[in-house]
Amino acid sequence: DTGVSQDPRHKITKRGQNVTFRCDPISEHNRLYWYRQTLGQGPEFLTYFQNEAQLEKSRLLSDRFSAERPKGSFSTLEIQRTEQGDSAMYLCASSQWTGGAEGYTFGSGTRLTVV
Amino acid sequence: AQSVTQLDSQVPVFEEAPVELRCNYSSSVSVYLFWYVQYPNQGLQLLLKYLSGSTLVKGINGFEAEFNKSQTSFHLRKPSVHISDTAEYFCAVSVNTGNQFYFGTGTSLTVIP
Repeated sequence: DTGVSQDPRHKITKRGQNVTFRCDPISEHNRLYWYRQTLGQGPEFLTYFQNEAQLEKSRLLSDRFSAERPKGSFSTLEIQRTEQGDSAMYLCASSQWTGGAEGYTFGSGTRLTVV
Repeated sequence: AQSVTQLDSQVPVFEEAPVELRCNYSSSVSVYLFWYVQYPNQGLQLLLKYLSGSTLVKGINGFEAEFNKSQTSFHLRKPSVHISDTAEYFCAVSVNTGNQFYFGTGTSLTVIP
């Protein structure tokens, strides 16, 4: 297993365009998380899935953001009508949740720059 | 609600010197505590975690942390740092459901040769 993979690593887009990021978690992990990290800050929770079900969304996740995890495998995060404030590193993480708390395995992130 | 405070945004230290990175948290419920390291342009890597049991936790790369419930702290320590320890370090807390982590703002550790 190669860990959590995110694609693309970098994305530059014009304001108003739509972008989509992909995350491939560790195959046996049932939970998948999306976080956003802006410069000089720690990661902030956006949403998470258990298998294919999206169980929680942060209020940071405006209606321009949508995430899916079809078939409980990879996940996509789409941002519509991007704004400059969306520029950040988008981190995906996965874990095998068994009822307690385990550390995540993070991917390397997708850095989004909105110009 | 949970929150994490990392008191030092930048910590310079000479190679082979000891280092302590401070982390305090606030929570009205029991928490699990974690330290992550982030190298430039990379994701976060788990250094160590406290779930229960012994309050002194040992992690990778020679790091350790001590959970102090009365002071609501989880400071990270290393007795002798190496150049390769230069990175951003994040403290995080999670409540028992493991739904999400709350991260501090990070401490940038710079090891000086």
